[in-house]
Amino acid sequence: AQSVTQLGSHVSVSEGALVLLRCNYSSSVPPYLFWYVQYPNQGLQLLLKYTTGATLVKGINGFEAEFKKSETSFHLTKPSAHMSDAAEYFCAVSDRNYGQNFVFGPGTRLSVLP
Amino acid sequence: GAGVSQSPSNKVTEKGKDVELRCDPISGHTALYWYRQSLGQGLEFLIYFQGNSAPDKSGLPSDRFSAERTGGSVSTLTIQRTQQEDSAVYLCASSRQAQGAVDTQYFGPGTRLTVL
Repeated sequence: AQSVTQLGSHVSVSEGALVLLRCNYSSSVPPYLFWYVQYPNQGLQLLLKYTTGATLVKGINGFEAEFKKSETSFHLTKPSAHMSDAAEYFCAVSDRNYGQNFVFGPGTRLSVLP
Repeated sequence: GAGVSQSPSNKVTEKGKDVELRCDPISGHTALYWYRQSLGQGLEFLIYFQGNSAPDKSGLPSDRFSAERTGGSVSTLTIQRTQQEDSAVYLCASSRQAQGAVDTQYFGPGTRLTVL
């Protein structure tokens, strides 16, 4: 069975600082990996996803994530935080063989300080 | 085009009452998911529909929860004899879900259920 852990339920960064949100997964088969963002009072939207090919994935709003198989990680980064990045971020893993079995992490709330 | 819509956006009910939550997926999407998001918690998978196949009900927390999908489109999640611990935001998502592929899920805005 798959599982996802996100280190840090709440992360605070200063505006302009590096954003690093951690995600580690476990999966018995090669995974599909996703990052979703939930802005206040809004639904979830996809930031980026890794399926196959290049392990560095670029998403919307300047975010990117790198799939590291040896570390079973898929950390999300952004070089320079903006106030509008304040939101809840969810990492998710899907079993390659059974695509409907999405497992979401508990989420990390990102605060951006002026 | 239109995204996933859910109704009602908010529902307040009394303990013991039944509630129905509705989801309209994106047109043409064959896969439909229901999740529950409790305060401060991540997303808890409830049920998954794919085309005409039997749904995956493995995430339903009790037999008070049921869901159906009529005509391969609209879905209704029913909670019978609601309990206070059922209070949460119920999210619906849909995806194209081509056979053997993993497609992006598109989420609706959710229904916030409060059981008094």
